[in-house]
Amino acid sequence: DTEVTQTPKHLVMGMTNKKSLKCEQHMGHRAMYWYKQKAKKPPELMFVYSYEKLSINESVPSRFSPECPNSSLLNLHLHALQPEDSALYLCASSLGGTGRPDTQYFGPGTRLTVL
Amino acid sequence: GNSVTQMEGPVTLSEEAFLTINCTYTATGYPSLFWYVQYPGEGLQLLLKATKADDKGSNKGFEATYRKETTSFHLEKGSVQVSDSAVYFCATIQGAQKLVFGQGTRLTINP
Repeated sequence: DTEVTQTPKHLVMGMTNKKSLKCEQHMGHRAMYWYKQKAKKPPELMFVYSYEKLSINESVPSRFSPECPNSSLLNLHLHALQPEDSALYLCASSLGGTGRPDTQYFGPGTRLTVL
Repeated sequence: GNSVTQMEGPVTLSEEAFLTINCTYTATGYPSLFWYVQYPGEGLQLLLKATKADDKGSNKGFEATYRKETTSFHLEKGSVQVSDSAVYFCATIQGAQKLVFGQGTRLTINP
């Protein structure tokens, strides 16, 4: 199994809603990532978890709250988002733990629309 | 920090044409280099990678060689197909975990 899965595929939410994005991998990877991709732009790193601990936060606003309940799951909790937060949110995972760069494998993404 | 610059396109070719998408990098040392592909409505797929100078990555008929003399990692394919239509991203790594992408090149192949 070399797959990263994400749910939901599409999400529409209002600015006062609270929602969560979910990501799962069963490759035994110990590093997991959230990226944000605006239309016609490259992905930008938001958060990195290594061994279930937050290791990188790229100065993301607090209305985005990541959570890593175990080594296979990664969540992104959303609250009080703005219309400009509408984007494709991509999850990725990599082997991790070596201290050296390793290949990141991406999920299909969640397309988020904030009204 | 490390960065990559790639030709933005869009690029339109006929089927069976030769493809080159240019990518150059700026980096401290010799970081790993990657090409990712994004098909319409999908996430990113790793196409190929190279981890050190003079390495050649290859997959599905695509090739790229890590050239430190020209700080380049150009993507090539000898004969493109309609199914190759997608957005291609060149990327490098900052530290051990931060992927840094180029702006992407949209490729359209006409039958």
